[in-house]
Amino acid sequence: DTGVSQDPRHKITKRGQNVTFRCDPISEHNRLYWYRQTLGQGPEFLTYFQNEAQLEKSRLLSDRFSAERPKGSFSTLEIQRTEQGDSAMYLCASSLGTSSLHEQYFGPGTRLTVT
Amino acid sequence: AQTVTQSQPEMSVQEAETVTLSCTYDTSESDYYLFWYKQPPSRQMILVIRQEAYKQQNATENRFSVNFQKAAKSFSLKISDSQLGDAAMYFCAYIQGAQKLVFGQGTRLTINP
Repeated sequence: DTGVSQDPRHKITKRGQNVTFRCDPISEHNRLYWYRQTLGQGPEFLTYFQNEAQLEKSRLLSDRFSAERPKGSFSTLEIQRTEQGDSAMYLCASSLGTSSLHEQYFGPGTRLTVT
Repeated sequence: AQTVTQSQPEMSVQEAETVTLSCTYDTSESDYYLFWYKQPPSRQMILVIRQEAYKQQNATENRFSVNFQKAAKSFSLKISDSQLGDAAMYFCAYIQGAQKLVFGQGTRLTINP
């Protein structure tokens, strides 16, 4: 049994470049969530999917951010024209939508540094 | 909008002692869930304990227990017999329905040997 995995674990990029992160959820989980965590703060919700449908997006998700989950399996989060303020840990989580427990299982995160 | 507040940025406790982390939240919903998550340094977040709002009985998981006061919108975490491996950031979180988690700012717990 594998947990939630994220790739890459670390990404350093120059301001203005595009970056893409990948998340592989637990295989039977139909819900997938993206959060952003800055240093010393709690995670903040960005967006979530049920299967391939993107059901909610936070106002934090500017036009430079886009997320996809083709075929309802893995998901990608792309940031275009990165800014220094995008530097953060990007966390992915998954859950079983039919479960009454509402537990979300987190991946190790992708730490983005924009120079 | 729901909010979660953790008023203790840092806490420390002697090994084998008991420590309580505080959390308050604000919601107009009656059916929701509360969680405590643990985030060790440079490691991923893991679930410590869960409380359903409709249950009056406080949840317990081994050395971890909660004091859930629904009317006061308070949800504290008690760690008994603290161990060095308990050192981490602890986040209180709220969820209503199978939707997004709303997290507090976190409490950094240090265990003194």
